[in-house]
Amino acid sequence: IAGITQAPTSQILAAGRRMTLRCTQDMRHNAMYWYRQDLGLGLRLIHYSNTAGTTGKGEVPDGYSVSRANTDDFPLTLASAVPSQTSVYFCASSPEPGLFNYGYTFGSGTRLTVV
Amino acid sequence: AQSVSQHNHHVILSEAASLELGCNYSYGGTVNLFWYVQYPGQHLQLLLKYFSGDPLVKGIKGFEAEFIKSKFSFNLRKPSVQWSDTAEYFCAVMKNTGFQKLVFGTGTRLLVSP
Repeated sequence: IAGITQAPTSQILAAGRRMTLRCTQDMRHNAMYWYRQDLGLGLRLIHYSNTAGTTGKGEVPDGYSVSRANTDDFPLTLASAVPSQTSVYFCASSPEPGLFNYGYTFGSGTRLTVV
Repeated sequence: AQSVSQHNHHVILSEAASLELGCNYSYGGTVNLFWYVQYPGQHLQLLLKYFSGDPLVKGIKGFEAEFIKSKFSFNLRKPSVQWSDTAEYFCAVMKNTGFQKLVFGTGTRLLVSP
């Protein structure tokens, strides 16, 4: 089934540890996004990539890094996790950046708890 | 900066009641508007979208939304809710120019009691 796969589904992580959240899509979408979802704050954009080989900062990029080596994969790395990064992380994609009549396709999310 | 406001954070309704969830945005240029729904434990799914034409748009599951440009609003409505509509609803905006990324509101949690 075409879509976005995120892994892991959930994770408990000790503060200070490094963690990579995986995101893979099989729709050949050029644009990909990482959002975090927090109660009362909605979804906030962390980083995005308009096409393979390019990335950009979103609204809340600090403490996170991304890479886009190919079209399908867009991993999100927490170099040294802190408790404030406890959140649900959603990866999303769209065929092209700014394709407003499409919206985004979302993955099922990764629930991360930093203790 | 562009922002999206959803004033109702929690809404509780009985089945068959009518629903209206408010959404206002701050950007003055041309925008594209979306409503997403997140059922418990699931990812976000697109309910409906507006980018041009008839300001009253119909989406899935009997939902509709009306774009009122003069009020910078895109309120979501459903004439008669069901228990299965219990979910969190997010309004989102994308500009036509500049930073063309989806910007989300804070969400509204809807609980429909049987």
